[in-house]
Amino acid sequence: GQSLEQPSEVTAVEGAIVQINCTYQTSGFYGLSWYQQHDGGAPTFLSYNALDGLEETGRFSSFLSRSDSYGYLLLQELQMKDSASYFCAVLEGRRALTFGSGTRLQVQP
Amino acid sequence: DTAVSQTPKYLVTQMGNDKSIKCEQNLGHDTMYWYKQDSKKFLKIMFSYNNKELIINETVPNRFSPKSPDKAHLNLHINSLELGDSAVYFCASSQGSGSLGTEAFFGQGTRLTVV
Repeated sequence: GQSLEQPSEVTAVEGAIVQINCTYQTSGFYGLSWYQQHDGGAPTFLSYNALDGLEETGRFSSFLSRSDSYGYLLLQELQMKDSASYFCAVLEGRRALTFGSGTRLQVQP
Repeated sequence: DTAVSQTPKYLVTQMGNDKSIKCEQNLGHDTMYWYKQDSKKFLKIMFSYNNKELIINETVPNRFSPKSPDKAHLNLHINSLELGDSAVYFCASSQGSGSLGTEAFFGQGTRLTVV
């Protein structure tokens, strides 16, 4: 089976940098994805890492270490609108994405 | 244009009723999913269809029956609704398996409340 662990809650201030970690256990690993979900909204795709290393997309970056079964999402220059839940997810074989339990990020002024 | 649309957005119904949620995607994707998100925001896969073929059927009560008339549509029918079925149900789609399957597009969700 698959399991993903991530912190339940993170708090940071505007302009700061925050890192949300994710550890996973799975087989037939295709890569690690990250999704953002605002309260009352739908999950939206942020990034995907198939290979080790850092992928940067604007203020957001995502990192993967396959040997450590570990990844993180890095959010820089935090803005109030970044307050949301962030989910890591893995895809195994032809199966659907399995999501972590989500990390609620609260950005304070 | 909405990529993945599901209706209704809100559904309040009594225990024992039967209800359906409809989902359509206009992205040309070949894989569609139903996810359930509970009050703790845990997203759990229920069903997955690839080109109208059921490929994932997780441990879901058989009161839940998905139907895919074509690869752009995946509907969810729920019989004999129970209080525990109250949740937000998300439809999603992606293009196939492998790395392409890691980017799923979600509908806006259907908040089901059983009273």
